Amino acid sequence: GAGVSQTPSNKVTEKGKYVELRCDPISGHTALYWYRQSLGQGPEFLIYFQGTGAADDSGLPNDRFFAVRPEGSVSTLKIQRTERGDSAVYLCASSLQAGGLDIQYFGAGTRLSVL
Amino acid sequence: QQPVQSPQAVILREGEDAVINCSSSKALYSVHWYRQKHGEAPVFLMILLKGGEQKGHDKISASFNEKKQQSSLYLTASQLSYSGTYFCGTATNTGNQFYFGTGTSLTVIP
Repeated sequence: GAGVSQTPSNKVTEKGKYVELRCDPISGHTALYWYRQSLGQGPEFLIYFQGTGAADDSGLPNDRFFAVRPEGSVSTLKIQRTERGDSAVYLCASSLQAGGLDIQYFGAGTRLSVL
Repeated sequence: QQPVQSPQAVILREGEDAVINCSSSKALYSVHWYRQKHGEAPVFLMILLKGGEQKGHDKISASFNEKKQQSSLYLTASQLSYSGTYFCGTATNTGNQFYFGTGTSLTVIP
């Protein structure tokens, strides 16, 4: 695709439910980041993939959060037992090489609302 | 580990200049600058790697002082389209983690 695609664009769920957020990066980009952005704040690092493996997941807030990238392209961020505090915009970004060295291209984000 | 930006907010008249600063407590490998408009994704402006280089295009430029772990973004002759929130993004030597700064809200008025 032309850019990073994230689906759904909006997700409303009830406290305690399970959600999956999908990121389709730019074709050929090996590096993929997930961020969480709350209102008025900067994006907060969650996890970084280089290829299929999670090179750094130190930003995941707790074990309710998990992300996969099984074929080195599409990634899914999974949140179990959602809490109201999980409400935020979840951003995905991809880059050709390691993100510290290269431009990160962002998707439009998924706005998650936990009621 | 989050870089600190200053100022937090600035209002400019069209044509005025602005400087946004980004300061980190960690040794940096690279600094990126992004602009985000309300409700939209961050958009890349420029990247600076170790070496104290300065970059620029059009009327936006930036510098990176790796010894001081600081970067500055310079906006000259500001235009209405420059309005938005500016974030610096920093990578440490491993390049794995990437931290965005606290943000600077910039508003350009006619």
